[in-house]
Amino acid sequence: DVKVTQSSRYLVKRTGEKVFLECVQDMDHENMFWYRQDPGLGLRLIYFSYDVKMKEKGDIPEGYSVSREKKERFSLILESASTNQTSMYLCASSSLHAGDTDTQYFGPGTRLTVL
Amino acid sequence: AQSVSQHNHHVILSEAASLELGCNYSYGGTVNLFWYVQYPGQHLQLLLKYFSGDPLVKGIKGFEAEFIKSKFSFNLRKPSVQWSDTAEYFCAVNANTDKLIFGTGTRLQVFP
Repeated sequence: DVKVTQSSRYLVKRTGEKVFLECVQDMDHENMFWYRQDPGLGLRLIYFSYDVKMKEKGDIPEGYSVSREKKERFSLILESASTNQTSMYLCASSSLHAGDTDTQYFGPGTRLTVL
Repeated sequence: AQSVSQHNHHVILSEAASLELGCNYSYGGTVNLFWYVQYPGQHLQLLLKYFSGDPLVKGIKGFEAEFIKSKFSFNLRKPSVQWSDTAEYFCAVNANTDKLIFGTGTRLQVFP
């Protein structure tokens, strides 16, 4: 069964702190994604990665960076957290294999509050 | 730029009522289409998807969606909803990239 896990369900940080959100998938998927989910705005793509050490900016990358040192792990980094980064963060992964391409599998989400 | 519109932001139904949630996208080429569902407190999960073939797609829990290319639509339907269908529903489109474009979501509340 496909599984995407995220390091924390809830996180509270202070303005200016450096924040790490971790995501791990066990399906040997090539692609991994970070989204934020806000009421009325749906899911917005922050960054994604096609392969180890590769990353691409999504629609709202400002204030974020990512790291993918291993295929199964994709980290989202908030260099200096701000209150407008309070949100639900979702990680997803997908395979390049025919028949399942583009289907993304999601983790449970991390609800981050920045005070 | 590609976009996805979900015009129904909040839908309230009684059990056994029929459901149709609208989804329209803006892209003229080949698309892959998805509906995801997020039950309260749970993670986003795939409800159904269309890649090619029969434009009427059946998914889990009695849901179906119809791809109408001429209308750029992929509406989600269920003939008789249950209280357990209370959730937020997201339409998503992929157009020749590895990225999904999501709509803003529709919150469905079903009352017994």
